[in-house]
Amino acid sequence: SAVISQKPSRDICQRGTSLTIQCQVDSQVTMMFWYRQQPGQSLTLIATANQGSEATYESGFVIDKFPISRPNLTFSTLTVSNMSPEDSSIYLCSVGVRQETQYFGPGTRLLVL
Amino acid sequence: AQSVTQPDIHITVSEGASLELRCNYSYGATPYLFWYVQSPGQGLQLLLKYFSGDTLVQGIKGFEAEFKRSQSSFNLRKPSVHWSDAAEYFCAVGATSGTYKYIFGTGTRLKVLA
Repeated sequence: SAVISQKPSRDICQRGTSLTIQCQVDSQVTMMFWYRQQPGQSLTLIATANQGSEATYESGFVIDKFPISRPNLTFSTLTVSNMSPEDSSIYLCSVGVRQETQYFGPGTRLLVL
Repeated sequence: AQSVTQPDIHITVSEGASLELRCNYSYGATPYLFWYVQSPGQGLQLLLKYFSGDTLVQGIKGFEAEFKRSQSSFNLRKPSVHWSDAAEYFCAVGATSGTYKYIFGTGTRLKVLA
């Protein structure tokens, strides 16, 4: 498995501002992912964070709203830009390890006022 | 289309009782199957996974799951529930194409009565 940490663990932000969430893994991994979990909902994949190239976004998510960086094999950031109350969610990063298995970070709980 | 269904949104059981959480999937081939648990305020923790072979898989915390191809099901079971098992449980189907992409079910929230 992998040990994954996220910063911040939670935040309260004003609408119109941006927040950058960090994800750190204790070992080098090829696959990193960002998910959104809206209140009371399941997980929705935002994008795959690719090392050294642009992230691959899922339908309904765009780079301008959710820019992602992946400077190396142990670290990634997700920015939630120009936030609105609808962006209030838990944001989780995960990593793909052996045999198609994903391990998840503890999540970042975001409340937008 | 590929999908995962968890028919039960909420389940309540008494401590010490047995538990079964249902998961049905729709996928073109035999997928990779996973169960995760999310305790309040926490991320997702992997309970168990199935790729191939023995259709009854053992996981952590005393959980097991059985893959039934004929029923396209991967139900999670535990013989005796503890109060600490109260959480949200997610079933997920993983693509076998090397993309690591998952389809998650909507989750089942488990409440345990003392």
